[in-house]
Amino acid sequence: QVQLQESGPGLVKPSQTLSLTCTVSGGSISSGSYYWSWIRQPAGKGLEWIGRIYTSGSTNYNPSLKSRVTISVDTSKNQFSLKLSSVTAADTAVYYCARVFMVGGAFDIWGQGTMVTVSS
Amino acid sequence: QSVLTQPPSVSAAPGQKVTISCSGSSSNIGNNYVSWYQQLPGTAPKLLIYENNKRPSGIPDRFSGSKSGTSATLGITGLQTGDEADYYCGTWDSSLSAVPVFGGGTKLTVL
Repeated sequence: QVQLQESGPGLVKPSQTLSLTCTVSGGSISSGSYYWSWIRQPAGKGLEWIGRIYTSGSTNYNPSLKSRVTISVDTSKNQFSLKLSSVTAADTAVYYCARVFMVGGAFDIWGQGTMVTVSS
Repeated sequence: QSVLTQPPSVSAAPGQKVTISCSGSSSNIGNNYVSWYQQLPGTAPKLLIYENNKRPSGIPDRFSGSKSGTSATLGITGLQTGDEADYYCGTWDSSLSAVPVFGGGTKLTVL
């Protein structure tokens, strides 16, 4: 059974870069039927899609975050990563990684989420 | 302001049925599959419905989904206290560089 686990610092200073990694276990990240995404959720608010990556390395980002986001994949480690630069308090949220069906676009498996606070 | 519109809250008694609506436009719901997610307090979202009306393995048939035009609906029958959660609809929006979009979420209270 495929599982996803986010990891990374829980506290990031303003103007710095937030870096998170999602480790995929129980299956290969290179499966051709899925791509891999990051989503975030500020406390008490809804879900915001950050971006996605295919195992080919092709990426797409939310236009509202595009200038600050980089998503990469390391198939040898079965991991994909998120970097969000120039963070502010508005980037404080629970960050989730998820697997997404290529057909239909449903997010079928989610990581447990990791809380990231932006504060000095 | 979410691209997809959901009621902030719904409530019903145990054993009853409830529906949650999700309204969009031709650029999102009207031309793409809809999925539904359940988020229990303090946990990650969980896929309940995909491709408008399909249930992943392990999701009971008390949960159902439908779509008509630019709106979608999640139905839950035989309500249980364990169904108290936030529910989100999701789809793609072709007008936003084909990005996934979510509704604002609906808090279900089982009275």
